[in-house]
Amino acid sequence: GAVVSQHPSWVICKSGTSVKIECRSLDFQATTMFWYRQFPKQSLMLMATSNEGSKATYEQGVEKDKFLINHASLTLSTLTVTSAHPEDSSFYICSAKVGEGTDTQYFGPGTRLTVL
Amino acid sequence: QKEVEQNSGPLSVPEGAIASLNCTYSDRVSQSFFWYRQYSGKSPELIMSIYSNGDKEDGRFTAQLNKASQYVSLLIRDSQPSDSATYLCAVNGGYSTLTFGKGTMLLVSP
Repeated sequence: GAVVSQHPSWVICKSGTSVKIECRSLDFQATTMFWYRQFPKQSLMLMATSNEGSKATYEQGVEKDKFLINHASLTLSTLTVTSAHPEDSSFYICSAKVGEGTDTQYFGPGTRLTVL
Repeated sequence: QKEVEQNSGPLSVPEGAIASLNCTYSDRVSQSFFWYRQYSGKSPELIMSIYSNGDKEDGRFTAQLNKASQYVSLLIRDSQPSDSATYLCAVNGGYSTLTFGKGTMLLVSP
């Protein structure tokens, strides 16, 4: 149980375009999902917390107008990187909490974004 | 600001040995502690969670928690080359979020 999927697993796009990444909980309902970014040889950096049916909570320094998060259902959250630039190239990983009474997060396989 | 500290390593151990990974955290009120394993180019995989002082064993893995010392450790018995990865310590950081350490790279040599 507690399987989280992400799509796509990798994407290459041109500078200035937008990219949407999907995160799905496959065998459970996730009221809370999280989006992380990881640059090479660095640790996970939390970008935002996504709650179903409400606006995402962004970490300090993360531009909410650039990284659009939608959590429209209990099994799907999306991250859209708008007007992507080469510095947005990174490994984007989502995670989900299994339930409200736990802090345990299960991670998706990640999406590697390369912006040319 | 909540901090989670880990030695970046690499920690090198021979196959069959015990690997000991350590983590300290700054927030005294933290209640949930996690160890994740991350292979190069992959996303983190949950190994263990621990909530109470003492030891928690799961197969070859033992997590140890000492809240008074704000210290969490992970022991890996009978280390295998397949255990070679970066191990991330995570601590609950309020509002359901986790604060991650930078990870310790473990290298198990055959």
